[in-house]
Amino acid sequence: GENVEQHPSTLSVQEGDSAVIKCTYSDSASNYFPWYKQELGKRPQLIIDIRSNVGEKKDQRIAVTLNKTAKHFSLHITETQPEDSAVYFCAASISSMDTGRRALTFGSGTRLQVQP
Amino acid sequence: ETGVTQTPRHLVMGMTNKKSLKCEQHLGHNAMYWYKQSAKKPLELMFVYNFKEQTENNSVPSRFSPECPNSSHLFLHLHTLQPEDSALYLCASSLRGAGGPSYEQYFGPGTRLTVT
Repeated sequence: GENVEQHPSTLSVQEGDSAVIKCTYSDSASNYFPWYKQELGKRPQLIIDIRSNVGEKKDQRIAVTLNKTAKHFSLHITETQPEDSAVYFCAASISSMDTGRRALTFGSGTRLQVQP
Repeated sequence: ETGVTQTPRHLVMGMTNKKSLKCEQHLGHNAMYWYKQSAKKPLELMFVYNFKEQTENNSVPSRFSPECPNSSHLFLHLHTLQPEDSALYLCASSLRGAGGPSYEQYFGPGTRLTVT
């Protein structure tokens, strides 16, 4: 099955700096890569996703890049703010016309701390 | 509110007890999931139901028994648990199937389970 590895496990940055979280996946058939944010005591929520037919996607201060050849994808947060502090999870899954989308395989999470 | 509710929010049970966790989604989704979240494995998929049919079981011990009577409700029946089963149990739902408009998983708030 799919295996997703995520690094680093913890990341501390100063407010205004950029943060980068990296994930690798094992199944070359995976074609959908979402990122979830989980604030302390709250449920995980989708913040951005990318499909394998694009290499980069941006949404304001958040961007995700995908390298299919190397089987890795990254989350980039620019101009970090204290409210960005949370645990971030990457995930991967396979979508096909025959079976629809398989369940997500999540990475182990990155605890991001933005120091004011 | 994300439209996914879970009850109870907190549960303390002894190893010989039988209890059930309930999840309900009001989003018109056709797939539901149980996850276990602990310090050791942050988001560990347990079960997947697609149109009320179990499609994935990630080698979960038989002391956890899921039930999906319809596409809006999901239960997790607990029996003779171990202290290491103490964790946050998260339910999620999504749309699944080829050509669907969205595959975002919406999580419930979770049930914090403590096994004594």
